[in-house]
Amino acid sequence: AQKITQTQPGMFVQEKEAVTLDCTYDTSDQSYGLFWYKQPSSGEMIFLIYQGSYDEQNATEGRYSLNFQKARKSANLVISASQLGDSAMYFCAMREGRGAQKLVFGQGTRLTINP
Amino acid sequence: EAQVTQNPRYLITVTGKKLTVTCSQNMNHEYMSWYRQDPGLGLRQIYYSMNVEVTDKGDVPEGYKVSRKEKRNFPLILESPSPNQTSLYFCASRLAEPYEQYFGPGTRLTVT
Repeated sequence: AQKITQTQPGMFVQEKEAVTLDCTYDTSDQSYGLFWYKQPSSGEMIFLIYQGSYDEQNATEGRYSLNFQKARKSANLVISASQLGDSAMYFCAMREGRGAQKLVFGQGTRLTINP
Repeated sequence: EAQVTQNPRYLITVTGKKLTVTCSQNMNHEYMSWYRQDPGLGLRQIYYSMNVEVTDKGDVPEGYKVSRKEKRNFPLILESPSPNQTSLYFCASRLAEPYEQYFGPGTRLTVT
């Protein structure tokens, strides 16, 4: 079974609108963490936001927030007031357990912001 | 500037010709990893290292070797590259905690 599922291969959004990118995960660990990375066309992986499984508040970083619904095993990324520079590939990833040595990535969602 | 560097950034080679992709980090991180990225599959871990002389296999280690002789360096070795190793490769590093991984710029490898 997929550990991380991103069901939206592509999304198109008008500039200045808010956008939600979906991510569901599957784990039996109590301690885990969820990440979102952005990959622009230049190829580098840019860390956006992190949510630990024991964090009580949803993580926020500037225009990015993570809508963490533990019971539903979802960790959706919300981008407020989208900008043209937000056009990129977005990956959700998970680490399992405290000593986890890797991130497990979803397939990614390609976000396009239209002017 | 804190960073992870990889060299080369682009490489086209032929089947069977040994190659090494270097990775170096200047953040004194204990943990380092290699991932490959293929369309529709996201990133998959090849090998990881928890410290000097400590390495272990990730999800897709076949056809690759690594070594960790110094804390800052973690080269990826393809002894006999094959076309199915054509991919975008990322090196990453992190401290024990927090868990955020810092990625290098990527190496695009084509094996013909």
